[in-house]
Amino acid sequence: EAGVAQSPRYKIIEKRQSVAFWCNPISGHATLYWYQQILGQGPKLLIQFQNNGVVDDSQLPKDRFSAERLKGVDSTLKIQPAKLEDSAVYLCASSLAGGPGTDTQYFGPGTRLTVL
Amino acid sequence: LAKTTQPISMDSYEGQEVNITCSHNNIATNDYITWYQQFPSQGPRFIIQGYKTKVTNEVASLFIPADRKSSTLSLPRVSLSDTAVYYCLVGIYSTLTFGKGTMLLVSP
Repeated sequence: EAGVAQSPRYKIIEKRQSVAFWCNPISGHATLYWYQQILGQGPKLLIQFQNNGVVDDSQLPKDRFSAERLKGVDSTLKIQPAKLEDSAVYLCASSLAGGPGTDTQYFGPGTRLTVL
Repeated sequence: LAKTTQPISMDSYEGQEVNITCSHNNIATNDYITWYQQFPSQGPRFIIQGYKTKVTNEVASLFIPADRKSSTLSLPRVSLSDTAVYYCLVGIYSTLTFGKGTMLLVSP
């Protein structure tokens, strides 16, 4: 079974530039998550999709971050404009369904973003 | 949301059993306890999940006392490759929150 795919793996941009990350979840997984992981910290949930609808985006900085999941499969996360503090690893995860308790999340390798 | 407390770091030697305890005093009735493992430059990986008593799989065991206010992840006979950060999460699907985790260092 193929895992969660993310691209690019690394990205270096200057502040105020824009950047986009792409995620392809495991086939058949209805739920997709985007996390931000700053060095030395645990992942922080940015947004959760159930199919192509948003379930939770309470921690997404909506003035600069946006995400979409068209057709309930692939997803893109965009930052515009980027700030220095956005330097982090952006992780995508997917799970089979949004059911409680036993819904295991499968993570991709992440995209390491450096903002100069 | 239930908050978790776990040690920042632990040291062990190859072949030893490692027990990492997580405190979650305000766990809710419907909450599950889930542990993830993360290696450098990789995304977290699911290890084990439980609701009460004991759960065992091919990788680890999870011990949960009757009051469910804590849980212990047990790794039998660790090897160098078990060096990683281990996260304890309490909640149900979208309410899961990662803390800083426990950095386990296994030495020869």
